[in-house]
Amino acid sequence: DGGITQSPKYLFRKEGQNVTLSCEQNLNHDAMYWYRQDPGQGLRLIYYSQIVNDFQKGDIAEGYSVSREKKESFPLTVTSAQKNPTAFYLCASSPDRGYGYTFGSGTRLTVV
Amino acid sequence: KQEVTQIPAALSVPEGENLVLNCSFTDSAIYNLQWFRQDPGKGLTSLLLIQSSQREQTSGRLNASLDKSSGRSTLYIAASQPGDSATYLCAVLITGANSKLTFGKGITLSVRP
Repeated sequence: DGGITQSPKYLFRKEGQNVTLSCEQNLNHDAMYWYRQDPGQGLRLIYYSQIVNDFQKGDIAEGYSVSREKKESFPLTVTSAQKNPTAFYLCASSPDRGYGYTFGSGTRLTVV
Repeated sequence: KQEVTQIPAALSVPEGENLVLNCSFTDSAIYNLQWFRQDPGKGLTSLLLIQSSQREQTSGRLNASLDKSSGRSTLYIAASQPGDSATYLCAVLITGANSKLTFGKGITLSVRP
């Protein structure tokens, strides 16, 4: 079955540590996105990529970095510069602007 | 800047009731609107997608309508069931080359047996 796989499901980060969240899709979608979800805040866009080797900052990109070396993969790195990283992170993809988004099952990141 | 509003934030209804969830948006130049369902601790599941040229979409007990001129969409759930309990989010994609999906904060629905 086609879909989006996010791993790990739960991730714990120590202060000052960088961590990378994985997102892989087998839907052959061109565009991929990373969102952050906090209670009472809704989903906020971190980064997005419309094509391989190209990506754009979203609304809250500070403290995050991404790469898009393969069409199927869009990993997100939460750097030590992100002061409040505890949140639920969602990856999504879409084939084209005119079509709907498909979401992964999310990664919950907690700072310990 | 596009803003998407969903009111109320939470809703509790008895099983069997027909209900309407509302979504409003400030910029009517939208490309499409999508309704999602989210269960606690899970990702988003797409329910219905309405293109800007469409007025409504139906899937089973769900019907979503779109009125671009007034900046409103509604999600109608017929004969609600306890299994419908979840958070429902609406999201709009505005026109423009680099537009992104903008989400409302969601409505948390509880259907009481």
